[in-house]
Amino acid sequence: DIQMTQSPSSVSASVGDRVTITCRASQGISSWLAWYQQKPGKAPNLLIYAASSLQSGVPSRFSGSGSGTDFTLTISSLQPEDFATYYCQQANSFPLTFGGGTKVEIK
Amino acid sequence: QVQLVQSGAEVKKPGASVKVSCKASGYTFTGNYMHWVRQAPGQGLEYMGWINRNSGATNYAQKFQGRVTMTRDTSISTAYMELSRLGSDDTAVYFCARDFDGSGRYFDYWGQGTLVTVSS
Repeated sequence: DIQMTQSPSSVSASVGDRVTITCRASQGISSWLAWYQQKPGKAPNLLIYAASSLQSGVPSRFSGSGSGTDFTLTISSLQPEDFATYYCQQANSFPLTFGGGTKVEIK
Repeated sequence: QVQLVQSGAEVKKPGASVKVSCKASGYTFTGNYMHWVRQAPGQGLEYMGWINRNSGATNYAQKFQGRVTMTRDTSISTAYMELSRLGSDDTAVYFCARDFDGSGRYFDYWGQGTLVTVSS
């Protein structure tokens, strides 16, 4: 199985900050990567697919980049509703696998 | 609008089985895949596998092979996930999730989750 490693595991930030989360795959996955946001007690929400494609309805302050083994999710200007946990997911091969998550907390 | 509504919370004893349902509405159920993902309390997301809602074909993550069965009833637009020989480490919220684009790669709509508690 492909292992996905996210860093950091948590980050404290203020409203308006730029936040960057990284995800590394244990082997190359081309651009087959998604990012999800999950709030407590809720199901995850698809933000980005194919490494950099913004899902419909997702604010443009979210962006994704990378290919191969290294990927980044950037929130350009953190908003109060963005405090949540973010997961990357590789979509290159079965079984699909997730990173361990990054919790974005209020500073 | 697309909705996935799951069955309610379950409490099971070790060694028992649980069957979770996921009723879809707002789109053509027989298109592509339905996936199942679980999340232990305070932990990350763990992928279990998929069922092709049209053909009924399944593909399970190796960790769950032999213990999980995914089925569907197209007449009522409902998918099911049954997990047998439950242990305490199967305590988790179980989610169904619709395939985004028919590729079997991403999930765009999720059920609300079903908490399964395994306890003696």
